[in-house]
Amino acid sequence: EVELVESGGGLVQPGGSLSISCVASGLVLSNYWMSWVRQAPGKGLEWVANIKEDGSKQYYVDSAKARFTISRDNTKNSLYLQMNSLRAEDTAFYFCATGSNHLYWGRGTLVTVSS
Amino acid sequence: DIQMTQSPSSLSASAGDRVTITCRASQDIKNYLVWFQQKPGKAPKSLIYSASTLRSGVSSRFSGSGSGTDFTLTISSLQPEDFATYYCQQYSNYPLTFGGGTKVEIK
Repeated sequence: EVELVESGGGLVQPGGSLSISCVASGLVLSNYWMSWVRQAPGKGLEWVANIKEDGSKQYYVDSAKARFTISRDNTKNSLYLQMNSLRAEDTAFYFCATGSNHLYWGRGTLVTVSS
Repeated sequence: DIQMTQSPSSLSASAGDRVTITCRASQDIKNYLVWFQQKPGKAPKSLIYSASTLRSGVSSRFSGSGSGTDFTLTISSLQPEDFATYYCQQYSNYPLTFGGGTKVEIK
């Protein structure tokens, strides 16, 4: 059974940094593009970034460019998102998902940006 | 960016009803469209990909159609467990974009 488990969310002040992780089991992560998708409480879904199977290409939504960095460690079956210069509008549940069509999803981790 | 417009944004229906949700892309996305179901407090669940391919394990009462810019998700006979919010998403171009969602509520 495929399972994706996010961790590392929490409360951070505006302008601060946070790194979140996603560990996969039941699949070989190196076979998949991987995405981060977020959802502000009570709002819709927004794709944030994704990364090629070998980590050689990354794409970002404009609001994440120059602030967020997606990375992966296939030896650990893990995906990461380093978030800097955080803003209140980055407050959301952050989900990792496989591929660009997001076949499998984790349960999400909540990032709250507030003073 | 490709805008994905879903309609309606919400609907009320009864168990057994046939329900249709539409999704329109602002430019041609061929068949690079996926439909998700999301229940409160849960992660989205993939239902249909490539516009019309039912994901393994998903009930056959769900179907998808369309290509280019106009797409539909149909639930042939609404069941109690189908009350949820549904999203479309295009994966033709970056940035990947989602529709605003359609909340299906009990009448």
